[in-house]
Amino acid sequence: DAGITQSPRHKVTETGTPVTLRCHQTENHRYMYWYRQDPGHGLRLIHYSYGVKDTDKGEVSDGYSVSRSKTEDFLLTLESATSSQTSVYFCAISATRASTDTQYFGPGTRLTVL
Amino acid sequence: DAKTTQPPSMDCAEGRAANLPCNHSTISGNEYVYWYRQIHSQGPQYIIHGLKNNETNEMASLIITEDRKSSTLILPHATLRDTAVYYCIVRDSPGINTGTASKLTFGTGTRLQVTL
Repeated sequence: DAGITQSPRHKVTETGTPVTLRCHQTENHRYMYWYRQDPGHGLRLIHYSYGVKDTDKGEVSDGYSVSRSKTEDFLLTLESATSSQTSVYFCAISATRASTDTQYFGPGTRLTVL
Repeated sequence: DAKTTQPPSMDCAEGRAANLPCNHSTISGNEYVYWYRQIHSQGPQYIIHGLKNNETNEMASLIITEDRKSSTLILPHATLRDTAVYYCIVRDSPGINTGTASKLTFGTGTRLQVTL
Protein backbone atom coordinates (compact mmCIF):
# COMPACT_ATOMS: atom_id res chain seq x y z
CA ASP A 1 0.00 0.00 0.00
CA ALA A 2 1.64 3.25 -1.13
CA GLY A 3 -0.91 5.64 0.36
CA ILE A 4 -2.75 6.31 -2.90
CA THR A 5 -6.37 7.38 -3.00
CA GLN A 6 -8.52 8.28 -5.96
CA SER A 7 -11.68 10.35 -6.06
CA PRO A 8 -14.38 9.95 -7.00
CA ARG A 9 -14.46 6.16 -7.10
CA HIS A 10 -17.46 6.12 -9.40
CA LYS A 11 -18.86 8.80 -11.67
CA VAL A 12 -21.57 8.96 -14.28
CA THR A 13 -21.61 12.00 -16.52
CA GLU A 14 -23.01 13.16 -19.82
CA THR A 15 -21.25 13.68 -23.12
CA GLY A 16 -19.74 17.14 -23.42
CA THR A 17 -19.36 17.84 -19.73
CA PRO A 18 -15.97 18.44 -18.10
CA VAL A 19 -14.75 15.87 -15.60
CA THR A 20 -11.81 15.96 -13.20
CA LEU A 21 -10.41 12.92 -11.46
CA ARG A 22 -8.10 13.29 -8.51
CA CYS A 23 -5.19 11.14 -7.39
CA HIS A 24 -3.76 11.81 -3.95
CA GLN A 25 -0.65 10.30 -2.41
CA THR A 26 0.73 10.71 1.08
CA GLU A 27 4.36 9.62 0.68
CA ASN A 28 5.97 12.37 -1.37
CA HIS A 29 6.68 10.28 -4.47
CA ARG A 30 8.05 12.19 -7.40
CA TYR A 31 6.53 10.16 -10.26
CA MET A 32 2.80 9.79 -10.77
CA TYR A 33 0.88 8.22 -13.64
CA TRP A 34 -2.61 8.01 -15.05
CA TYR A 35 -3.69 4.83 -16.88
CA ARG A 36 -6.98 3.72 -18.34
CA GLN A 37 -8.13 0.12 -18.55
CA ASP A 38 -10.56 -1.16 -21.14
CA PRO A 39 -11.54 -4.70 -22.11
CA GLY A 40 -9.16 -6.06 -24.72
CA HIS A 41 -6.61 -3.26 -24.28
CA GLY A 42 -5.03 -3.83 -20.89
CA LEU A 43 -3.75 -0.74 -19.11
CA ARG A 44 -2.68 2.18 -21.29
CA LEU A 45 -0.72 5.19 -20.10
CA ILE A 46 -2.49 8.54 -20.51
CA HIS A 47 -0.13 11.06 -18.89
CA TYR A 48 2.56 11.04 -16.27
CA SER A 49 4.30 13.54 -14.03
CA TYR A 50 7.90 13.66 -12.87
CA GLY A 51 7.51 16.55 -10.47
CA VAL A 52 5.42 19.57 -9.59
CA LYS A 53 4.33 21.26 -12.82
CA ASP A 54 6.30 18.67 -14.83
CA THR A 55 4.09 16.43 -16.93
CA ASP A 56 4.28 14.56 -20.21
CA LYS A 57 2.05 12.60 -22.54
CA GLY A 58 1.58 8.87 -22.65
CA GLU A 59 0.26 6.73 -25.48
CA VAL A 60 -3.43 7.73 -25.27
CA SER A 61 -3.33 11.39 -24.22
CA ASP A 62 -5.79 12.88 -26.75
CA GLY A 63 -8.80 14.37 -24.99
CA TYR A 64 -7.09 14.47 -21.61
CA SER A 65 -5.10 17.07 -19.70
CA VAL A 66 -3.33 16.84 -16.37
CA SER A 67 -2.05 19.16 -13.70
CA ARG A 68 0.21 18.79 -10.72
CA SER A 69 0.41 21.92 -8.61
CA LYS A 70 1.65 20.09 -5.51
CA THR A 71 3.50 16.86 -4.95
CA GLU A 72 0.63 14.96 -3.43
CA ASP A 73 -2.06 15.61 -6.05
CA PHE A 74 -2.22 14.64 -9.73
CA LEU A 75 -5.40 15.68 -11.52
CA LEU A 76 -6.74 14.21 -14.75
CA THR A 77 -9.24 16.36 -16.66
CA LEU A 78 -11.51 15.42 -19.50
CA GLU A 79 -12.35 18.83 -20.98
CA SER A 80 -15.40 17.54 -22.83
CA ALA A 81 -16.19 13.94 -22.01
CA THR A 82 -17.06 11.50 -24.79
CA SER A 83 -18.52 8.01 -24.64
CA SER A 84 -15.17 6.58 -25.76
CA GLN A 85 -13.72 7.81 -22.47
CA THR A 86 -15.94 5.46 -20.49
CA SER A 87 -13.32 3.40 -18.71
CA VAL A 88 -11.68 2.54 -15.43
CA TYR A 89 -8.92 5.00 -14.57
CA PHE A 90 -5.98 4.07 -12.39
CA CYS A 91 -3.43 6.32 -10.83
CA ALA A 92 0.02 5.00 -9.96
CA ILE A 93 3.21 6.17 -8.30
CA SER A 94 6.80 5.00 -8.63
CA ALA A 95 8.69 4.03 -5.52
CA THR A 96 12.14 2.59 -5.06
CA ARG A 97 12.18 -1.10 -4.17
CA ALA A 98 15.37 -3.18 -4.17
CA SER A 99 17.19 -0.38 -6.03
CA THR A 100 14.68 -0.29 -8.87
CA ASP A 101 11.56 1.74 -9.33
CA THR A 102 8.29 -0.11 -8.89
CA GLN A 103 4.83 1.20 -9.63
CA TYR A 104 2.01 0.97 -7.13
CA PHE A 105 -1.57 1.56 -8.15
CA GLY A 106 -4.57 3.24 -6.63
CA PRO A 107 -8.00 1.62 -6.32
CA GLY A 108 -9.35 3.11 -9.55
CA THR A 109 -12.18 5.36 -10.70
CA ARG A 110 -14.96 3.92 -12.80
CA LEU A 111 -16.20 6.59 -15.21
CA THR A 112 -19.29 6.22 -17.35
CA VAL A 113 -20.02 8.82 -20.03
CA LEU A 114 -23.58 8.65 -21.32
CA ASP B 1 10.39 -3.56 -23.63
CA ALA B 2 10.43 -7.26 -24.39
CA LYS B 3 7.21 -9.09 -25.19
CA THR B 4 5.87 -11.75 -22.83
CA THR B 5 3.71 -14.81 -23.41
CA GLN B 6 1.49 -16.29 -20.72
CA PRO B 7 -1.20 -18.97 -20.79
CA PRO B 8 -4.64 -17.35 -20.79
CA SER B 9 -5.94 -19.32 -17.83
CA MET B 10 -5.00 -21.81 -15.12
CA ASP B 11 -6.72 -23.61 -12.29
CA CYS B 12 -5.29 -24.47 -8.91
CA ALA B 13 -6.69 -26.26 -5.88
CA GLU B 14 -6.72 -24.31 -2.66
CA GLY B 15 -3.70 -25.11 -0.50
CA ARG B 16 -1.61 -26.29 -3.43
CA ALA B 17 1.19 -24.37 -5.08
CA ALA B 18 0.26 -22.30 -8.11
CA ASN B 19 3.01 -22.14 -10.72
CA LEU B 20 2.43 -19.46 -13.33
CA PRO B 21 4.80 -19.52 -16.32
CA CYS B 22 5.94 -16.66 -18.50
CA ASN B 23 8.04 -16.68 -21.65
CA HIS B 24 10.17 -13.66 -22.48
CA SER B 25 12.64 -14.96 -25.04
CA THR B 26 13.61 -11.48 -26.31
CA ILE B 27 14.54 -10.10 -22.91
CA SER B 28 17.69 -8.00 -22.90
CA GLY B 29 20.40 -7.81 -20.29
CA ASN B 30 19.14 -4.76 -18.43
CA GLU B 31 15.48 -5.75 -18.33
CA TYR B 32 13.73 -6.89 -15.18
CA VAL B 33 10.85 -9.33 -14.84
CA TYR B 34 7.93 -7.91 -12.86
CA TRP B 35 4.77 -9.65 -11.72
CA TYR B 36 1.52 -7.92 -10.87
CA ARG B 37 -1.93 -9.24 -10.23
CA GLN B 38 -5.36 -7.71 -10.51
CA ILE B 39 -8.23 -8.96 -8.47
CA HIS B 40 -11.57 -8.17 -10.02
CA SER B 41 -12.38 -4.43 -10.03
CA GLN B 42 -9.27 -3.52 -8.03
CA GLY B 43 -6.05 -1.76 -9.02
CA PRO B 44 -3.07 -3.87 -10.12
CA GLN B 45 -1.07 -5.11 -7.16
CA TYR B 46 2.71 -5.46 -7.26
CA ILE B 47 3.90 -8.96 -6.34
CA ILE B 48 7.60 -9.36 -7.03
CA HIS B 49 10.37 -8.58 -9.49
CA GLY B 50 13.83 -9.86 -10.37
CA LEU B 51 16.73 -9.49 -12.77
CA LYS B 52 18.74 -12.72 -12.75
CA ASN B 53 18.48 -14.39 -9.39
CA ASN B 54 15.49 -16.13 -7.91
CA GLU B 55 13.56 -13.95 -5.52
CA THR B 56 11.19 -14.62 -2.66
CA ASN B 57 9.02 -12.35 -0.58
CA GLU B 58 6.02 -12.73 1.68
CA MET B 59 3.67 -13.15 -1.26
CA ALA B 60 5.49 -15.34 -3.77
CA SER B 61 8.68 -16.71 -5.28
CA LEU B 62 10.07 -15.84 -8.68
CA ILE B 63 12.19 -18.39 -10.51
CA ILE B 64 14.10 -17.07 -13.53
CA THR B 65 15.85 -19.53 -15.83
CA GLU B 66 19.57 -19.21 -16.30
CA ASP B 67 19.19 -17.91 -19.86
CA ARG B 68 16.49 -15.51 -18.59
CA LYS B 69 14.15 -16.44 -21.43
CA SER B 70 11.41 -17.59 -19.10
CA SER B 71 10.27 -17.33 -15.51
CA THR B 72 7.76 -18.85 -13.11
CA LEU B 73 5.81 -17.16 -10.38
CA ILE B 74 5.06 -19.51 -7.50
CA LEU B 75 2.31 -18.94 -4.96
CA PRO B 76 3.26 -21.61 -2.42
CA HIS B 77 -0.15 -22.19 -0.83
CA ALA B 78 -2.87 -20.72 -3.02
CA THR B 79 -6.07 -19.52 -1.39
CA LEU B 80 -9.37 -18.44 -2.84
CA ARG B 81 -8.24 -14.83 -2.38
CA ASP B 82 -5.45 -15.45 -4.90
CA THR B 83 -7.99 -15.78 -7.71
CA ALA B 84 -6.98 -12.96 -10.06
CA VAL B 85 -5.37 -12.09 -13.38
CA TYR B 86 -1.59 -12.31 -13.13
CA TYR B 87 0.58 -10.19 -15.38
CA CYS B 88 4.21 -10.84 -16.26
CA ILE B 89 5.94 -7.67 -17.46
CA VAL B 90 9.45 -7.19 -18.73
CA ARG B 91 10.95 -3.73 -18.64
CA ASP B 92 14.11 -1.90 -17.89
CA SER B 93 14.32 0.11 -14.74
CA PRO B 94 16.04 3.41 -15.40
CA GLY B 95 16.06 4.38 -11.77
CA ILE B 96 13.86 6.63 -9.80
CA ASN B 97 15.70 9.90 -10.41
CA THR B 98 16.72 9.71 -14.04
CA GLY B 99 13.81 11.75 -15.36
CA THR B 100 12.60 8.85 -17.48
CA ALA B 101 9.05 7.58 -17.08
CA SER B 102 8.85 3.90 -16.26
CA LYS B 103 5.80 2.98 -18.26
CA LEU B 104 4.40 -0.48 -17.66
CA THR B 105 2.99 -2.45 -20.57
CA PHE B 106 0.35 -4.91 -19.42
CA GLY B 107 -0.55 -7.78 -21.71
CA THR B 108 -3.58 -10.01 -21.25
CA GLY B 109 -2.09 -12.03 -18.39
CA THR B 110 -3.11 -15.40 -16.91
CA ARG B 111 -6.43 -15.75 -15.22
CA LEU B 112 -5.82 -17.96 -12.18
CA GLN B 113 -8.85 -19.62 -10.66
CA VAL B 114 -8.31 -21.14 -7.23
CA THR B 115 -10.93 -23.71 -6.32
CA LEU B 116 -11.92 -25.64 -3.20
